[in-house]
Amino acid sequence: QVTLRESGPALVKPTQTLTLTCTFSGFSLSTSGMCVSWIRQPPGKALEWLALIDWDDDKYYSTSLKTRLTISKDTSKNQVVLTMTNMDPVDTATYYCARTRLRSPPDYWGQGTLVTVSS
Amino acid sequence: DIQMTQSPSTLSASVGDRVTITCRASQSISSWLAWYQQKPGKAPKLLIYKASSLESGVPSRFSGSGSGTEFTLTISSLQPDDFATYYCQQYNSYFAITFGQGTRLEIK
Repeated sequence: QVTLRESGPALVKPTQTLTLTCTFSGFSLSTSGMCVSWIRQPPGKALEWLALIDWDDDKYYSTSLKTRLTISKDTSKNQVVLTMTNMDPVDTATYYCARTRLRSPPDYWGQGTLVTVSS
Repeated sequence: DIQMTQSPSTLSASVGDRVTITCRASQSISSWLAWYQQKPGKAPKLLIYKASSLESGVPSRFSGSGSGTEFTLTISSLQPDDFATYYCQQYNSYFAITFGQGTRLEIK
């Protein structure tokens, strides 16, 4: 059974760095073809893909946010971490992690975690 | 980045209706297109992948078609549980995924 769960602060201040952790089970990020993506959704708005890390530790980022994002993995802990620097109120959103496989769309998603950026 | 445009933005329909949602890509994505259903406060649920393949467990009233730049999601006979927001997503490059802006399907 594949499950993912996001964790991190519910509230961050402008200019701070956000760190989110995705803890998963039911698959291994050391398996060839396996990846984890981060996707966010501002309240009432559409989904936006942020980043992906694959089984080979290759990392890919949204063109518009790449200077602010870092994705990493700890295969032994079944965790993927996303950091986003210089947070702004427009970054207020629900942040999801999702399992992704080579040549497949994200299939299993976490429940999401709402992050509010406010002073 | 590849842009995805869905239409309509909102669709009003009744239980039992047949509905179609369209998604257009700004460049060819072959068949690397997925459709998701999202209900308020929930994560998106994968319905269709590779343009027309039904994800396991998804009712057969959902179907997808298209290739290249134009795609459709059809629900053959709307059920009460189907009223939600639907998103298309391209994964032509799995490391540069983009979503459509969503189509809200509401009860007429």
